[in-house]
Amino acid sequence: AQSVTQPDIHITVSEGASLELRCNYSYGATPYLFWYVQSPGQGLQLLLKYFSGDTLVQGIKGFEAEFKRSQSSFNLRKPSVHWSDAAEYFCAVGPRAGNTPLVFGKGTRLSVIA
Amino acid sequence: EPEVTQTPSHQVTQMGQEVILRCVPISNHLYFYWYRQILGQKVEFLVSFYNNEISEKSEIFDDQFSVERPDGSNFTLKIRSTKLEDSAMYFCASSLGGEKLFFGSGTQLSVL
Repeated sequence: AQSVTQPDIHITVSEGASLELRCNYSYGATPYLFWYVQSPGQGLQLLLKYFSGDTLVQGIKGFEAEFKRSQSSFNLRKPSVHWSDAAEYFCAVGPRAGNTPLVFGKGTRLSVIA
Repeated sequence: EPEVTQTPSHQVTQMGQEVILRCVPISNHLYFYWYRQILGQKVEFLVSFYNNEISEKSEIFDDQFSVERPDGSNFTLKIRSTKLEDSAMYFCASSLGGEKLFFGSGTQLSVL
């Protein structure tokens, strides 16, 4: 069965510190991989996606993610967190063909302290 | 950047009442979706819609749910007789086709 696991429900980091949010997936084949962010009162905004090629992908707002096939992981990273990064982050997977819907993880809530 | 618009942002209803959640997808998009997120749980797929018909639906999307694109711009989700467990954030999304979905800011439905 397709599933996405985000093992950390809530993470707190200091402003300026580095960040890594974990995501593991279970899928029949290599899927497309996504990270979305949901700021308070906002919709889900696409941060970045991996389809093929370079396994380190760059996204908006200084985020990057690395696809590791051997670990079925797609962890999100940022070298220096800003207070405005406080939000809920969702990892999602989708098929490489067809329009089968995305499968989301439960999300990781990021709090940023001064 | 174009946006998906959802109204209302918050809807409160009594159990057993009908609710309609409204969405205006991005104008040139072809695929439309509804997802929901129960508090503390993952975002779950409800239904996808293409070419004026449902293309896929989940087990959650039972006979109490229906979708419609009545006028070529709006995309609605109707729940005929709401239950307490329907309380959730409902997200509408649209896409041109394929991978990139644009999500609205959601409608928080509270069933009392």
